[in-house]
Amino acid sequence: GAGVSQSPSNKVTEKGKDVELRCDPISGHTALYWYRQSLGQGLEFLIYFQGNSAPDKSGLPSDRFSAERTGGSVSTLTIQRTQQEDSAVYLCASSLGLRAGGRETQYFGPGTRLLVL
Amino acid sequence: AQTVTQSQPEMSVQEAETVTLSCTYDTSENNYYLFWYKQPPSRQMILVIRQEAYKQQNATENRFSVNFQKAAKSFSLKISDSQLGDTAMYFCAFTDSGGGADGLTFGKGTHLIIQP
Repeated sequence: GAGVSQSPSNKVTEKGKDVELRCDPISGHTALYWYRQSLGQGLEFLIYFQGNSAPDKSGLPSDRFSAERTGGSVSTLTIQRTQQEDSAVYLCASSLGLRAGGRETQYFGPGTRLLVL
Repeated sequence: AQTVTQSQPEMSVQEAETVTLSCTYDTSENNYYLFWYKQPPSRQMILVIRQEAYKQQNATENRFSVNFQKAAKSFSLKISDSQLGDTAMYFCAFTDSGGGADGLTFGKGTHLIIQP
C-alpha cells in the first residue's frame, strides 16, 4: 500500500510566521512519530502519538512547537513565530503501534524541508 | 539516556567491494532493538536491516548483514558486492522495548560513497 506521505515537500517562510506541517501515516498504523533533522543536531525525536494521544511532549524544542493528531490518522506539527534555528528537515514515521506487541519498525516519510528566512 | 555513536563520518569504496560501517551504543537495558537506515539524497529514510537484542543470530538481508556484539555494544553493518545505488547516508538507530514513547535514538550517520 501507500507509504507515509508528508506535505509540503518544501516550505520557505519568513521569521515570525507560523507554519503547519502535515503527515499522513500508512493506513492501519496507530503509532506516529515526528523527528527533526538538522546539520548541527542530527536526527532528534520530537513527539510520539499512539492513536490520538501524545503521552510525552517533552521532546518538543520549545513551546512554539505543538502537534496534534485527529481520527487516529493525519498529524500536524505546528511551529508558531518561526525562528531561523527552526530551519531543518522534519520527518514523520509511522508503525503498527502497541497492538503489534513490541517495538516494531518505523517507516518514514520523505520529510518537509523548512527554511526560515 | 541511550547514545549511539558512528565514528566514520564518511567512507568511500570501489563498486563491488565489501564495506563495513561501525556503530556502538550505550544502554543499561537488556532488551532493545537496533536498526540501520539508509537515506539517499531524496531524503527518504529506508530501513536496511533490523536486529532484536534477544536474538543471538546476526540479521541478514541479501547483500546486507550485521555483526551484533551485545557484550561490546557494537552493531556494525556489512555491505557485500557494493553497488552505485548504495551511495547514501547510513544511520544506526536504537530503541528499547518500552511502551513506544521514546522514538529512535540515531547516530550522526556515515556518508558512504560507492565509486564506479
